[in-house]
Amino acid sequence: EIVLTQSPGTLSLSPGERATLSCRASQSVSSSYLAWYQQKPGQAPRLLIYGASSRATGIPDRFSGSGSGTDFTLTISRLEPEDFAVYYCQQYGSSPKTFGQGTKLEIK
Amino acid sequence: EVQLVESGGGLVQPGRSLRLSCAASGFTFDDYAMHWVRQAPGKGLEWVSGISWNSGSIGYADSVKGRFTISRDNAKNSLYLQMNSLRAEDTALYYCAKAYRYSVAEVYFDYWGQGTLVTVSS
Repeated sequence: EIVLTQSPGTLSLSPGERATLSCRASQSVSSSYLAWYQQKPGQAPRLLIYGASSRATGIPDRFSGSGSGTDFTLTISRLEPEDFAVYYCQQYGSSPKTFGQGTKLEIK
Repeated sequence: EVQLVESGGGLVQPGRSLRLSCAASGFTFDDYAMHWVRQAPGKGLEWVSGISWNSGSIGYADSVKGRFTISRDNAKNSLYLQMNSLRAEDTALYYCAKAYRYSVAEVYFDYWGQGTLVTVSS
C-alpha cells in the first residue's frame, strides 16, 4: 500500500498570499495518478486536480498541481477567503487507492 | 447536474448489519464505476470499496474485506453497501463517489455525495 504523507499539517496564511502544500508518497505513483481534493467543514470533498496537474472542471486557475514520482505539490497562487479548508491528496495508480492525512489551510 | 444521495446510515450495535444506498442522477449511471469512501469523525478519508460499470470488477479495502459487499442496480441508478459484522472502528461518514470512468482501477472521484453517518456502538 502506498502511504501518502502531507505537509505541513496546518498552514496559516493570509488572503492574497501564496500557499504551497506537499504530498510525498512512500513509493512512486504510477503515471502521475495523483489527485487533490478540497474539503470544507460539513461538506463533501471536491475534486481540484487530477493526473497531478490537470484542473478539474470549474476550478479556478489559481489552483495548480505539479510533481511526479514520489513528490507532488498543490499551489494556490493568491489565496481567496473561500480557499481556507482541508486539502487531501490521493493516489489512484495502485490498489488500494490511498489518501494523505490532509493539510489544514487556516487564516492567519 | 450530478447528484448522489446516500441513505441508510444510523446507530447500530457491534456485530450487527446495515445496508447503505446511494441514489444517482444527472449522468448515465451505467457508464461509470462507483465507490464508497468513508471518513471517521475528525479524521481523514479512507477508500472502502469500488464497483465497475457492469459489476464485473469489484475491490475492497483490507479493513472491510469479507464483511462488506458492494453492489449496484443500473436499472435503478443505485449503489449499495451491505455492511455485516460491524465494529466500532467502522463508525464514519460514508460517502458515495462517482469515478471519472467505467473501471474500478486507476480512477479518481469527480463527484461526491453528502454522506450518511454510521455509528457502531452498544
